Amino acid sequence: GAVVSQHPSRVICKSGTSVKIECRSLDFQATTMFWYRQFPKQSLMLMATSNEGSKATYEQGVEKDKFLINHASLTLSTLTVTSAHPEDSSFYICSARVHLNTEAFFGQGTRLTVV
Amino acid sequence: EDKVVQSPLSLVVHEGDTVTLNCSYEVTNFRSLLWYKQEKKAPTFLFMLTSSGIEKKSGRLSSILDKKELFSILNITATQTGDSAVYLCAVEAIETGANNLFFGTGTRLTVIP
Repeated sequence: GAVVSQHPSRVICKSGTSVKIECRSLDFQATTMFWYRQFPKQSLMLMATSNEGSKATYEQGVEKDKFLINHASLTLSTLTVTSAHPEDSSFYICSARVHLNTEAFFGQGTRLTVV
Repeated sequence: EDKVVQSPLSLVVHEGDTVTLNCSYEVTNFRSLLWYKQEKKAPTFLFMLTSSGIEKKSGRLSSILDKKELFSILNITATQTGDSAVYLCAVEAIETGANNLFFGTGTRLTVIP
């Protein structure tokens, strides 16, 4: 199947700093990428849908100024958590799809810990 | 409100047992239903189902969708300890611009040697 690479896999940052997470589709072009957040023992919650070359569409309750998403190319989307706080500590996962009729492939996730 | 409900929430079986995981959904503009296996990190894709009554198989795993009754089942036969994971069901809804995936809370399967 298609490969999605997410980096870093684990990051620890100080409260008030910003963290950037990258999501790359390695062997296909992804017009659409999705960013999810997962809390312990809970399911994946969609944060935003990222379309190449346009602004991301955020789900209700997700602060777009706090979670900046950029999808500058067909193979790269980034999520920047700005002014991180301990409550932002979570597991963030991206997914990408070749086109709307195919399944979504997931990156390996990023464990963010804000101290 | 769109929702996806999985049952049971958790399941403990012995190696060799057969298990059936359930997923029911209420989604506007249904497009497909997907099953994922999640171990320590990201989910890995198992099946994508779009048509009713057509069983998909991959080794010891199989799945089927009933679009009339709005549910799907995932079967695992002759379970092994390596099958221990959280199994996620997701339903794709057609929306303007992109298709969103709505996830259930998952079924945590533990296979005991």
